[in-house]
Amino acid sequence: GEDVEQSLFLSVREGDSSVINCTYTDSSSTYLYWYKQEPGAGLQLLTYIFSNMDMKQDQRLTVLLNKKDKHLSLRIADTQTGDSAIYFCAEMPDTDKLIFGTGTRLQVFP
Amino acid sequence: SQTIHQWPATLVQPVGSPLSLECTVEGTSNPNLYWYRQAAGRGLQLLFYSVGIGQISSEVPQNLSASRPQDRQFILSSKKLLLSDSGFYLCAWSSYYGYTFGSGTRLTVV
Repeated sequence: GEDVEQSLFLSVREGDSSVINCTYTDSSSTYLYWYKQEPGAGLQLLTYIFSNMDMKQDQRLTVLLNKKDKHLSLRIADTQTGDSAIYFCAEMPDTDKLIFGTGTRLQVFP
Repeated sequence: SQTIHQWPATLVQPVGSPLSLECTVEGTSNPNLYWYRQAAGRGLQLLFYSVGIGQISSEVPQNLSASRPQDRQFILSSKKLLLSDSGFYLCAWSSYYGYTFGSGTRLTVV
């Protein structure tokens, strides 16, 4: 099956780190993605990781992939109020259809 | 550069009225195109995807239909809207590295 699961909400204090978790079921996905959706807007690609990698770092973002457990996480260091948004993980099985998780709403408070 | 346009940004339609949402892509040829819907407080659901002119695949049974009359044009339609069709509709096209989304159309059926 193709199910991608995320927790619905995460609340963090400004300056702390945020960790958003995701589990997926289709091990054939070559790439896994993180998208950000700000209120009332479309989705913006944040980062992606190739399935043969364990970790990818891009400035404040760190993606960890545990392929054995089919677990993907996004860590945002020094979280800012501008990071408040909904974050979607997504996988792309061979069929070239992007399957999204339910999204995690990140709220950053001062 | 590749761009994707979606319109209108917001739409309020009465139950039973028809619907036509348009999406166009520039700067690429023969893209894979997608329509997603995001219901309030929920994740993204793939509705339709198209790999070429006149080729439409439907992912879920529903009140909507899609058409691709030109290579870079993807249209989402309904003959008679239902209340349950309310949501945020996103068009996207895909490349090797992921999807690019339009800015979305917020549809409210009243």
